[in-house]
Amino acid sequence: DQQVKQNSPSLSVQEGRISILNCDYTNSMFDYFLWYKKYPAEGPTFLISISSIKDKNEDGRFTVFLNKSAKHLSLHIVPSQPGDSAVYFCAAKTSGTYKYIFGTGTRLKVLA
Amino acid sequence: NAGVTQTPKFQVLKTGQSMTLQCAQDMNHNSMYWYRQDPGMGLRLIYYSASEGTTDKGEVPNGYNVSRLNKREFSLRLESAAPSQTSVYFCAGDVGGGYGYTFGSGTRLTVV
Repeated sequence: DQQVKQNSPSLSVQEGRISILNCDYTNSMFDYFLWYKKYPAEGPTFLISISSIKDKNEDGRFTVFLNKSAKHLSLHIVPSQPGDSAVYFCAAKTSGTYKYIFGTGTRLKVLA
Repeated sequence: NAGVTQTPKFQVLKTGQSMTLQCAQDMNHNSMYWYRQDPGMGLRLIYYSASEGTTDKGEVPNGYNVSRLNKREFSLRLESAAPSQTSVYFCAGDVGGGYGYTFGSGTRLTVV
């Protein structure tokens, strides 16, 4: 039972355009969400987070949106750059617990 | 400042052999985690340790054991390796403050 789902295994975007990566979750108790970026042969690295008290969080070119009623979050990258090509994982947890549950990942390819 | 260090980086085992994957952190993390990454499955939690002296099962603990030797070290042991345990293994420590985990660079394990 996959509690965190990333339904698009891959995405290709032209350099300079917007990349939108999506993530759905089923557990309504989740109240903290993260996005990680992973390059080949490296561990995932933290990108951006959002808590359930917000519906948007921005950090430079990266913005995460949270729609609690739809149990959906998305990561927007504007403008996309070739160096953004990586696998992106969303993750979720419930406050007071130790475990993040990860999605299956979306491979983003930004074309020059 | 190495962060989270995993050894070895690569390993090939024969079915039935045993081995221990080592993980050490120098970031004073209380909580540490072992994940495995498989194609199409994302990152799945094997075991975690909320604090020194405690360990708990994650989503996929069968076939594994862990030891939280001290605050710095959290090892993962395969007593009798099986081909289904072929995977990339990541150790992580909880940064706290809403920044999720710091991951090691991974151990690529092949069981033949």
